[in-house]
Amino acid sequence: EPEVTQTPSHQVTQMGQEVILRCVPISNHLYFYWYRQILGQKVEFLVSFYNNEISEKSEIFDDQFSVERPDGSNFTLKIRSTKLEDSAMYFCASISGTGVEQYFGPGTRLTVT
Amino acid sequence: KNQVEQSPQSLIILEGKNCTLQCNYTVSPFSNLRWYKQDTGRGPVSLTIMTFSENTKSNGRYTATLDADTKQSSLHITASQLSDSASYICVVRYVNDMRFGAGTRLTVKP
Repeated sequence: EPEVTQTPSHQVTQMGQEVILRCVPISNHLYFYWYRQILGQKVEFLVSFYNNEISEKSEIFDDQFSVERPDGSNFTLKIRSTKLEDSAMYFCASISGTGVEQYFGPGTRLTVT
Repeated sequence: KNQVEQSPQSLIILEGKNCTLQCNYTVSPFSNLRWYKQDTGRGPVSLTIMTFSENTKSNGRYTATLDADTKQSSLHITASQLSDSASYICVVRYVNDMRFGAGTRLTVKP
């Protein structure tokens, strides 16, 4: 069964450093999402991406964040200058063209020290 | 304000018993409502998705209900198993955004 994959599974970085989280959505899917979940808290929507552009973003998704689909298969989330409060699990998700079933990746745990 | 509230916050039941989890929302305009199961440290896994016109949808031992008039949904789990221990998250989608509930943490004990 096709699945969303994410790399790395765990990333440790120092405050102020740039990180890039990578996702490979399911190949025929058209809508892509990033979410984060701070430990012990609810999942929060960050951004959605369709047709090579951001379609919606939350208040969390400020200028420190950016997304890209560089090569038609990868979908990346970049945090330019990480802060301690960026420590969280980051989930990528994708939806097919019918826009019904959403599939989540296993997540990348980001730890900012 | 678009919000999703889930209850109870946590629940402990014995293996084989049934349980019902609640989700109330104020999201408008409503597009669809999803229930997810999330094991600790893993990504959410979709259980059901319901649109405005659907009242009930089943997926094995999981049955979701939706009352769009009162903006309430429930997830009923029948004959619980130890592997049902997880967080169950209600997610409501509207125009171009979605709201996650905080989840109900279910523990099934032998």
